Amino acid sequence: AQSVTQLDSQVPVFEEAPVELRCNYSSSVSVYLFWYVQYPNQGLQLLLKYLSGSTLVESINGFEAEFNKSQTSFHLRKPSVHISDTAEYFCAVTISGNTGKLIFGQGTTLQVKP
Amino acid sequence: DVKVTQSSRYLVKRTGEKVFLECVQDMDHENMFWYRQDPGLGLRLIYFSYDVKMKEKGDIPEGYSVSREKKERFSLILESASTNQTSMYLCASSSPRGAVYGYTFGSGTRLTVV
Repeated sequence: AQSVTQLDSQVPVFEEAPVELRCNYSSSVSVYLFWYVQYPNQGLQLLLKYLSGSTLVESINGFEAEFNKSQTSFHLRKPSVHISDTAEYFCAVTISGNTGKLIFGQGTTLQVKP
Repeated sequence: DVKVTQSSRYLVKRTGEKVFLECVQDMDHENMFWYRQDPGLGLRLIYFSYDVKMKEKGDIPEGYSVSREKKERFSLILESASTNQTSMYLCASSSPRGAVYGYTFGSGTRLTVV
């Protein structure tokens, strides 16, 4: 079975500082990896995903994540955060080729302070 | 845009009541999912459905049932609500290769059982 561990429940950071949200997964087979974001009082939205190919994937709003197979990690980074990035972030995994059942991590709350 | 609509944003029910949470999607998606979201636990899958009248148990199905009589509608039923079912409930839908293209989530129903 697959599992996902997000190592930090809360990450406070000042505006314009860099941030890293950590995600480790466990699986005996190939996986697809995802980051979802949940802004206050909203549902989850897909931020970025790794399916295959380049291990570095990027989102349209400046986030990036790197798939590291040897360390079974998929950490999310942004070099300079904004107040508007305040949200809860979820890492998720599914088996490659799976029909779509996602397993989510516990979530990390990113709090960007002015 | 794909829309997933959950009928209630906030709901307060009494212990022992039968509770129906409704979810409707407008993109002809085959897959639909019910998750509950609790602080520190992330999203946990309750039930999912790959087609009309089909359902499969997720990780925490106890105390819940589902109904999918039409493709666009997926209902979560709490047969006899209990206080430990107080939570945020999220519905999602996807195409058959949903993990590749991403889920679309509703805004959630915050259920309080008193």
